[in-house]
Amino acid sequence: AQKVTQAQTEISVVEKEDVTLDCVYETRDTTYYLFWYKQPPSGELVFLIRRNSFDEQNEISGRYSWNFQKSTSSFNFTITASQVVDSAVYFCALTPLPIIQGAQKLVFGQGTRLTINP
Amino acid sequence: DGGITQSPKYLFRKEGQNVTLSCEQNLNHDAMYWYRQDPGQGLRLIYYSQIVNDFQKGDIAEGYSVSREKKESFPLTVTSAQKNPTAFYLCASKQGLGTEAFFGQGTRLTVV
Repeated sequence: AQKVTQAQTEISVVEKEDVTLDCVYETRDTTYYLFWYKQPPSGELVFLIRRNSFDEQNEISGRYSWNFQKSTSSFNFTITASQVVDSAVYFCALTPLPIIQGAQKLVFGQGTRLTINP
Repeated sequence: DGGITQSPKYLFRKEGQNVTLSCEQNLNHDAMYWYRQDPGQGLRLIYYSQIVNDFQKGDIAEGYSVSREKKESFPLTVTSAQKNPTAFYLCASKQGLGTEAFFGQGTRLTVV
């Protein structure tokens, strides 16, 4: 079975601070994908990034960066110089690739509510 | 524009009644998913489907049923057997292996 844990339920920082959201996953699959999604107050989840299990290269996109470490089963997300518009709930997710053709299960963590105060 | 449409946005149900939540996508995606979101518990998988006329139970399928008669539609029925149905329900779809899922705007169900 797969499991995603986001231990930080809520984080509150002041604008312009850097903040890191933690994600730890469990899976026995050798091939899998990891994702981060953002959920603004409107409720719809917005895709941020995807990483496959063979690619441990860190990625930076503007103020966002992601650190994937297979050795610790972690896929952490850092926002640099946070802004009020970054306030949302952030979800980490995992999907294993099926050995045989079939439906891909997509498992989410509990989410971290991030509040950026002006 | 392509996307996923969930309706209605808000739904009220009396205890003991079944209710069906609609999810339609025009993205030509094969896979579709239903999640339930409760405060502090993240997204929990109810049912998912890879192809028409086939679906699998997720982690919390009890008290729910689905059908997949058409590729673009994946309705979820919340039955009277679901003891605590008040929640926010999200539908998603995706295409291909390891790709990201696209989400609808959700339906907030309240039992009154």
